[in-house]
Amino acid sequence: DIQMTQSPASLSASLGETVTIECRASEDIYNGLAWYQQKPGKSPQLLIYNANSLHTGVPSRFSGSGSGTQYSLKINSLQSEDVASYFCQQYYNYWTFGGGTKLELK
Amino acid sequence: EVQLVESGGGLVQPGRSLKLSCAASGFTFSNYYMAWVRQAPTKGLEWVASITNSGGSTYYRDSVKGRFTISRDNAKSTLYLQMDSLRSEDTATYYCTRDQTGSAFDYWGQGVMVTVSS
Repeated sequence: DIQMTQSPASLSASLGETVTIECRASEDIYNGLAWYQQKPGKSPQLLIYNANSLHTGVPSRFSGSGSGTQYSLKINSLQSEDVASYFCQQYYNYWTFGGGTKLELK
Repeated sequence: EVQLVESGGGLVQPGRSLKLSCAASGFTFSNYYMAWVRQAPTKGLEWVASITNSGGSTYYRDSVKGRFTISRDNAKSTLYLQMDSLRSEDTATYYCTRDQTGSAFDYWGQGVMVTVSS
């Protein structure tokens, strides 16, 4: 089974700041990587798929990058509405989620 | 507009069964893989099961294999999850999701709570 290790587990940042969340796969997942945002009390929403493709309607301040086993999600110019938990997911071999990153405002 | 509406959750005793349903609308249901994802209280996301667009192939996480069955009725645009021999560790919110065909989950339902307790 492919394991996904996400870091950090929690993060505190200021409005306007740039934030980066990392995800490491236990083996090469060939860009089969998605990022989701889950706001408190809500369902998860897809942000990024295929490691760097922005899902429909997602603001351009979100971006994804990486390859092989290392991937990252970057949020430019942090907004208050970005306070949420973020999860990575591999879908190269079945489906596995990372443990999540809780993003709060400083 | 894509909509996924789950139903069938509730409180159930350990060892008993429950069947979840997910009514889909706003897209051609038979063109997409579908999946169930769960989230235990205050925990992360956990993939549970997936089914191909025709229903011909199904996939399960090890902890539910032999106990859960995913199925679909394309004529009714409805996804199901039959859960048997339920355990306390199955307690979670269960989400119905649309799969971009063996890849990312691009739409999610609002979720339905399943509590397994005596």
